[in-house]
Amino acid sequence: DAGVIQSPRHEVTEMGQEVTLRCKPISGHDYLFWYRQTMMRGLELLIYFNNNVPIDDSGMPEDRFSAKMPNASFSTLKIQPSEPRDSAVYFCASSFSRAMNTEAFFGQGTRLTVV
Amino acid sequence: AQSVTQLDSHVSVSEGTPVLLRCNYSSSYSPSLFWYVQHPNKGLQLLLKYTSAATLVKGINGFEAEFKKSETSFHLTKPSAHMSDAAEYFCVVSDLRYGNKLVFGAGTILRVKS
Repeated sequence: DAGVIQSPRHEVTEMGQEVTLRCKPISGHDYLFWYRQTMMRGLELLIYFNNNVPIDDSGMPEDRFSAKMPNASFSTLKIQPSEPRDSAVYFCASSFSRAMNTEAFFGQGTRLTVV
Repeated sequence: AQSVTQLDSHVSVSEGTPVLLRCNYSSSYSPSLFWYVQHPNKGLQLLLKYTSAATLVKGINGFEAEFKKSETSFHLTKPSAHMSDAAEYFCVVSDLRYGNKLVFGAGTILRVKS
């Protein structure tokens, strides 16, 4: 397996524009997580899904953020409209729940810069 | 609720000397514990994970961690630091009762001096 695949790797956009980040989890994994990493706040869990259903979105900062998982092999995180303070590295991760002590596998991240 | 405290934000060691990165956790149940490493501008890589089978866990690149329930600690160690170990290290807790989500510590930046 190629691991968790995120696209794009880098995104530069202007304030007010819509941004869509994409994630393909590892095949067979039933959990998918979206994290945001900044210098000030470290790694924050934004939302996670189990079997394509959102379980906890309490980490989503504002209504400008939304996430979907239309099927087991694809998820998106959308920011509309984007703001400079959204600049961060966004990580997607997936895991398999039926094994004990199962770790999450992370993608390489999307570095978002909003100017 | 779960939480993780990494006691040092920065640790600096000389090459060839031991490494100790400290982590304390809080979990109301029997947690899963992990250490992840992140090299500059890279993603997160699993170093090691705790299973209930053994309290001393061996990971990649010579790292180890010991689970001490009485102290709620999961400190990361390595006998001899290498320059390539310079990175940020995250202690992580998860619990199936909380939906398998990973709760990250704030991270410890390890600097290795030549």
